[in-house]
Amino acid sequence: DVKVTQSSRYLVKRTGEKVFLECVQDMDHENMFWYRQDPGLGLRLIYFSYDVKMKEKGDIPEGYSVSREKKERFSLILESASTNQTSMYLCASSPGYQPQHFGDGTRLSIL
Amino acid sequence: GEDVEQSLFLSVREGDSSVINCTYTDSSSTYLYWYKQEPGAGLQLLTYIFSNMDMKQDQRLTVLLNKKDKHLSLRIADTQTGDSAIYFCAEAGTSGTYKYIFGTGTRLKVLA
Repeated sequence: DVKVTQSSRYLVKRTGEKVFLECVQDMDHENMFWYRQDPGLGLRLIYFSYDVKMKEKGDIPEGYSVSREKKERFSLILESASTNQTSMYLCASSPGYQPQHFGDGTRLSIL
Repeated sequence: GEDVEQSLFLSVREGDSSVINCTYTDSSSTYLYWYKQEPGAGLQLLTYIFSNMDMKQDQRLTVLLNKKDKHLSLRIADTQTGDSAIYFCAEAGTSGTYKYIFGTGTRLKVLA
């Protein structure tokens, strides 16, 4: 079974902090994705990566950056956290055009 | 632009069938997916259908695809309380970027 692991289930940070969300997958998938989920808005793509050191902006990249130094790990970085970034963050991975597999999510609160 | 629409809520009685509907706009979609999200959890892939298929059945789940109307549905037979969750429809196009477009999700509530 594919395993996508997000480093934290719950995280509380303060405005202005630099926040790192980590995601690791164990199936050698080329593609990795970061989404945020908000009530009534569904899932919105922040960034994705189709190879090591490659990244592409999704629909809402402002205020975020990403890093993919190794194939199995994809990090989401909030450069200076703000309260409007309080949300559920979901990581996913997929091999080519095959279905995406999701982690359990990180519920992030910015105070 | 590309869009996927779903109704927000559905309530059914235990033992009845549930039908969750989805409409999409991208006619080049190759795959269409159904995911389930239980409270506090990530998304779990339920099933998917390739765009050259009309129907796919997997145990209690039946997916119907009407390409002409760009309409996708998920039928859950003999719905149980454990089926209470949010169900997301998603489409993947042929743009070459592996991106999915997700619907807003349908919250299914199963009444005992």
